[in-house]
Amino acid sequence: DSGVTQTPKHLITATGQRVTLRCSPRSGDLSVYWYQQSLDQGLQFLIQYYNGEERAKGNILERFSAQQFPDLHSELNLSSLELGDSALYFCASSVGTDHEKLFFGSGTQLSVL
Amino acid sequence: AQSVTQLGSHVSVSEGALVLLRCNYSSSVPPYLFWYVQYPNQGLQLLLKYTTGATLVKGINGFEAEFKKSETSFHLTKPSAHMSDAAEYFCAVSDKVGGGADGLTFGKGTHLIIQP
Repeated sequence: DSGVTQTPKHLITATGQRVTLRCSPRSGDLSVYWYQQSLDQGLQFLIQYYNGEERAKGNILERFSAQQFPDLHSELNLSSLELGDSALYFCASSVGTDHEKLFFGSGTQLSVL
Repeated sequence: AQSVTQLGSHVSVSEGALVLLRCNYSSSVPPYLFWYVQYPNQGLQLLLKYTTGATLVKGINGFEAEFKKSETSFHLTKPSAHMSDAAEYFCAVSDKVGGGADGLTFGKGTHLIIQP
């Protein structure tokens, strides 16, 4: 158990809908990272937050947004969903701002039908 | 921009045999290199990392990797495979400890199959 909690584990929705994925980092970790894993693109870095502030941005679509709350949990919002958004979304956390050791959650499997 | 190429999407070895998973990277600056393992229905776990110093890095579960700058490689090895090693393995590169704007760049992964 990595200590990173993601909910829900599975999510099935329709095209055009909006969903929210939630992540609770390990106790004491200030950074939260979001990754998307798909068969064709592999594991892609989306965005990083550190202590409530956006720290780094990767290949995140404009339809996607994220935030980190004062209690350090994070939410990834996906809107106007398309079939191609179906993927496994991982959250990871680390103590500081670097990627030296990330602790990953078990992921949220999103299926857009 | 950095990139990672993992040769072989699937590798099959017999139990007790040598495991060799290949990773080549591209980076414009001295890289930081990582291997992560993903067991079924779980998130990724860090196996080992190279930042600076000794080029042969030892990780958990008997795995090790060697950074070879001249070959731009960071291959993962284990002398004797165990059934519990069956998993997906990801090589990743970062151009700085902080991850930078690109975060970690991951390879597509190699699925390791252990034959009894």
